Amino acid sequence: GAVVSQHPSWVICKSGTSVKIECRSLDFQATTMFWYRQFPKQSLMLMATSNEGSKATYEQGVEKDKFLINHASLTLSTLTVTSAHPEDSSFYICSAPPQREGYNEQFFGPGTRLTVL
Amino acid sequence: AQSVTQLGSHVSVSEGALVLLRCNYSSSVPPYLFWYVQYPNQGLQLLLKYTSAATLVKGINGFEAEFKKSETSFHLTKPSAHMSDAAEYFCAVKGAAGNKLTFGGGTRVLVKP
Repeated sequence: GAVVSQHPSWVICKSGTSVKIECRSLDFQATTMFWYRQFPKQSLMLMATSNEGSKATYEQGVEKDKFLINHASLTLSTLTVTSAHPEDSSFYICSAPPQREGYNEQFFGPGTRLTVL
Repeated sequence: AQSVTQLGSHVSVSEGALVLLRCNYSSSVPPYLFWYVQYPNQGLQLLLKYTSAATLVKGINGFEAEFKKSETSFHLTKPSAHMSDAAEYFCAVKGAAGNKLTFGGGTRVLVKP
């Protein structure tokens, strides 16, 4: 299989501060990574597609200035929630499809629980 | 455009009973289909996938799913539920081109002793 890690696993911050979440592919390269948010007892909502070497592609309704995405290398993408507010509290999950023959699925990170006070 | 519908947001089964989770999809191209499982406060783990090979797909933990093109379905089954099967299950579809996944609403499985 392929492993995707996220850091931190949980974070609590004050309203108005910024929070950075890291997503790493540990044993494969990923030119593309995906960021999702998940509210309690709901499905995953795709926020944006992170592209190595180019700008991220945001889904409709997602504020790109609010959720900054940087795909720094072939194994690392970061999501920064800027000026966080309580309504940004959620479970954020990243995923990546391995660029390998025979792999059509995405592998998911363990998620980051963000709580904004 | 593609979409996924999971019938039933909650399913309750007795330990040892059949688990059946329903998934219907729509896709304008031949799809790739996936079932993922999510335990509380964790990411998603792949159970199984359909990629246009065999229509009956076997996955981990005793789960299997059958692709039926005529019914645009990809239902997930397990013959005998175990307490450890209690989790949230998501069906997802991906078109042949690109990597975006479209998820269903999820089905929460409760296993009664």
